[in-house]
Amino acid sequence: EPEVTQTPSHQVTQMGQEVILRCVPISNHLYFYWYRQILGQKVEFLVSFYNNEISEKSEIFDDQFSVERPDGSNFTLKIRSTKLEDSAMYFCASSEGGATNEKLFFGSGTQLSVL
Amino acid sequence: GDSVTQMEGPVTLSEEAFLTINCTYTATGYPSLFWYVQYPGEGLQLLLKATKADDKGSNKGFEATYRKETTSFHLEKGSVQVSDSAVYFCALRPSGGSYIPTFGRGTSLIVHP
Repeated sequence: EPEVTQTPSHQVTQMGQEVILRCVPISNHLYFYWYRQILGQKVEFLVSFYNNEISEKSEIFDDQFSVERPDGSNFTLKIRSTKLEDSAMYFCASSEGGATNEKLFFGSGTQLSVL
Repeated sequence: GDSVTQMEGPVTLSEEAFLTINCTYTATGYPSLFWYVQYPGEGLQLLLKATKADDKGSNKGFEATYRKETTSFHLEKGSVQVSDSAVYFCALRPSGGSYIPTFGRGTSLIVHP
C-alpha cells in the first residue's frame, strides 16, 4: 500500500532556531494535513492544505508556523523560532478528498525536541 | 468544540483476553466516528469506522458500535494477540462546518504471550 513518508524521524534543535519538517504525501492525494501530539496529550490539528493554499488552520498555527508545497511531491512545515513548548511528535497526513476525507493516511511522525 | 476522550493506558492484557478501550465524544449533529491504530514505527492507519447511529464498524476482529444515546464508540476484540500491541486512537469527523478529524490522546495496548 502507498504510504506517507516523513523526514527526519527525530529532530533536536535549540530554542529560537528554525526547523523544517518534511513530508512526502501519497502521490494522487490532493489534501494534506499537519497534526502534532505533545507527550501525554491529544493529537491536535494544526493545518490543512489544498490547491496550494491553506484551507483550514487551528489556533495553534500562529505566525511562527508556515506550510509549503515547494514542488510536486514535498509538503513542509516550518517553525520559524522554536519554543520549548513546540516539542512534540508531528504527524503529516494526506487524503484523496476533503469533505469526504473519511480516511487519512499518516506518516510515522517526526519527534521534535526543543532544548 | 468537538472533542474525543479515551481511557488512559497502557492497557496490559494476556494473549486471548477480551479487550475494551473506551471512547466517548462531544459533538454537535451526527459526526462520523473512527478508530485508528499505530503500530510501532509506523503511521496511524484507519482500523474501522461508523458513519451513523447504531452502525457497527469492524475489521481484523475489532468492533465498535456508534452509540448516540451514550455518545460512545468503544473498541472491542474478543481475543487479542501479541501482534495487536499498538496505540489506538479514537477520532470523529464533524458532520458540518469543518470536516477536519478530531483525535483523542491514544490508548496504548500491550499484549503479553
